[in-house]
Amino acid sequence: GENVEQHPSTLSVQEGDSAVIKCTYSDSASNYFPWYKQELGKRPQLIIDIRSNVGEKKDQRIAVTLNKTAKHFSLHITETQPEDSAVYFCAASIVDSNYQLIWGAGTKLIIKP
Amino acid sequence: NAGVTQTPKFQVLKTGQSMTLQCAQDMNHEYMSWYRQDPGMGLRLIHYSVGAGITDQGEVPNGYNVSRSTTEDFPLRLLSAAPSQTSVYFCASSYAGTRDTQYFGPGTRLTVL
Repeated sequence: GENVEQHPSTLSVQEGDSAVIKCTYSDSASNYFPWYKQELGKRPQLIIDIRSNVGEKKDQRIAVTLNKTAKHFSLHITETQPEDSAVYFCAASIVDSNYQLIWGAGTKLIIKP
Repeated sequence: NAGVTQTPKFQVLKTGQSMTLQCAQDMNHEYMSWYRQDPGMGLRLIHYSVGAGITDQGEVPNGYNVSRSTTEDFPLRLLSAAPSQTSVYFCASSYAGTRDTQYFGPGTRLTVL
C-alpha cells in the first residue's frame, strides 16, 4: 500500500525567510497530493493541492511542486509570517482507485520573530 | 451551514466502557471518514463511507465500528475502550471522495483510563 514520509518533523525559520517541507510517496499510481495546515488546538484545513498532471501550483505565498519521477512533492512558503506557525501535513491519494488518503506525520513550522 | 460537527468535545472513559462519537455534516457530502490523531503520527484513517449504507475499513479499524444510515450522520462506536484508544478523533467529509477538499470537524479528545 501507499506510504508517505514527511521531512523535517520540525522546522524553525526566521520571519520573512522561506520554508520548504518535503514529502515522498511510494505508490506511483498516486495522483492527488493535498497539503493541510493545523493550528494548535484546531482542525486541519486544506491550504493547497496538486494533481499529477501538473508540476507546480501557486497561491500567493504558498506553492507546491511535484516530481513524479522521484515520487516527491514539496510545500514552499515564502516571506513567512507569524501566522504561518502551525503543523503542516501532506497526503497522497490514488484517485478513483480507492478512497483513502495516506498522510505524512506532519511538520511543525516555527516562525521566529 | 454548520459544516461538520462533532460531539462530545471531550470524553473520559474507563477501560472496557463503550461509547459513540457523533459526527454530522450539512453539506450533502457523500464521503465521510473518521481519523485518529496521535502525537508524531499524523492522521490515521479508521473507517470511511462513500454514501448511506456503505462503509469500509481504513488503516486502523480494530476496536471501532461505524454505520451510515443517512447522508448526514456518521457515528463512530468504541466497543470496549482501551488506553491505546486515547487520542484526538476527527471526522471529515468531502463532496468528491479523496480527490477533493476534506472538511474536518472540531475533533473529540478522548482519554481512556
